[in-house]
Amino acid sequence: DTAVSQTPKYLVTQMGNDKSIKCEQNLGHDTMYWYKQDSKKFLKIMFSYNNKELIINETVPNRFSPKSPDKAHLNLHINSLELGDSAVYFCASSLNSYPSYGYTFGSGTRLTVV
Amino acid sequence: AQKVTQAQTEISVVEKEDVTLDCVYETRDTTYYLFWYKQPPSGELVFLIRRNSFDEQNEISGRYSWNFQKSTSSFNFTITASQVVDSAVYFCALNGGSQGNLIFGKGTKLSVKP
Repeated sequence: DTAVSQTPKYLVTQMGNDKSIKCEQNLGHDTMYWYKQDSKKFLKIMFSYNNKELIINETVPNRFSPKSPDKAHLNLHINSLELGDSAVYFCASSLNSYPSYGYTFGSGTRLTVV
Repeated sequence: AQKVTQAQTEISVVEKEDVTLDCVYETRDTTYYLFWYKQPPSGELVFLIRRNSFDEQNEISGRYSWNFQKSTSSFNFTITASQVVDSAVYFCALNGGSQGNLIFGKGTKLSVKP
């Protein structure tokens, strides 16, 4: 069983569309994250949820909206996609909001906006 | 502010050479955690090691070793007798006591040629 699973793995879409990426973890962790990795491989936090509650919301366009229906799921919805949104998006989870044990990452979703 | 600097953007070595990846961090926290992750060409992020700020012992795991020096705020990673399979982007990351997420360096791309 995959610990942190993201779907889809690849997503190609046109500018202006709305898309969602789903993430699920079966580790019993309380905290989940979305990171964006740009073309230069830089990993930047976008959002963090602890037990369904938003705790980190970095400077991200409000076209990006995370949703956590329960602590095992954290989805990312993106409205009006732009070319600059093309990136790899990683979901991750940690035992709690103080990730002294680090993260377990999903395998990433490569989003390409054309 | 918390910061992780990986000054080496790319390193290229020939198989069997030893290579050291540098990581320098900044934090005002007295309790913090340092990590290394590996991102092979397949794209997933693989946890390698975690070290807390109170444990300055060096660690060795097979061909991998880590040197943590608080005096220079460095947490360097050495691969001995490198192999082609070591080719990847390596990320150093920091979690400080007051920070709810991992701060990543920009990564070092290691290419090991046969």
